[in-house]
Amino acid sequence: AQSVAQPEDQVNVAEGNPLTVKCTYSVSGNPYLFWYVQYPNRGLQFLLKYITGDNLVKGSYGFEAEFNKSQTSFHLKKPSALVSDSALYFCAVRDPRGGNKLVFGAGTILRVKS
Amino acid sequence: GAVVSQHPSRVICKSGTSVKIECRSLDFQATTMFWYRQFPKQSLMLMATSNEGSKATYEQGVEKDKFLINHASLTLSTLTVTSAHPEDSSFYICSARRRGGNEQFFGPGTRLTVL
Repeated sequence: AQSVAQPEDQVNVAEGNPLTVKCTYSVSGNPYLFWYVQYPNRGLQFLLKYITGDNLVKGSYGFEAEFNKSQTSFHLKKPSALVSDSALYFCAVRDPRGGNKLVFGAGTILRVKS
Repeated sequence: GAVVSQHPSRVICKSGTSVKIECRSLDFQATTMFWYRQFPKQSLMLMATSNEGSKATYEQGVEKDKFLINHASLTLSTLTVTSAHPEDSSFYICSARRRGGNEQFFGPGTRLTVL
């Protein structure tokens, strides 16, 4: 069965500093990996995805993520955090052999302080 | 492109009533739509997957007679919470996927409060 782990409930970063939000996955085949962001009382907004190709994926709002097959990780990164990046971030995985389902991690709250 | 809307955004109802939530893909045809439920400070839990013109596939533990899903067209899916009770209070989010697409596009969510 596919699963996603986000080991940190919350990440605190100072504005201007680099940020990393961690994600590891477990899936039997080659995974499709996604990051979404959620602001309070709102739906999810797509940030980026990895399907195939380059391991470093660039997405919206300056975010990027690196697919690491050996470590089964897909950490979200940004070189310089903004206060407006403060939100709830979800990593998700889809097993292309497992139908249409996305399985979400528990989410990580990112707090960027000025 | 790829905008998904939900209506209503917020609903408060009395226990025992039924509530219908609409999910629309505004600028694309969604062959598959998904319904999720999110409790406060928790992740999204998939409730069911619906393909246009066919019956929804429910996840284990989700009562299909309680949560009625209809995907009558390529741009509209509805979730009806029948005989709602306070424990059904939650944030319901839909998403939609194009035919052959890898990405799900999410609606803004509907906050249901059952008194």
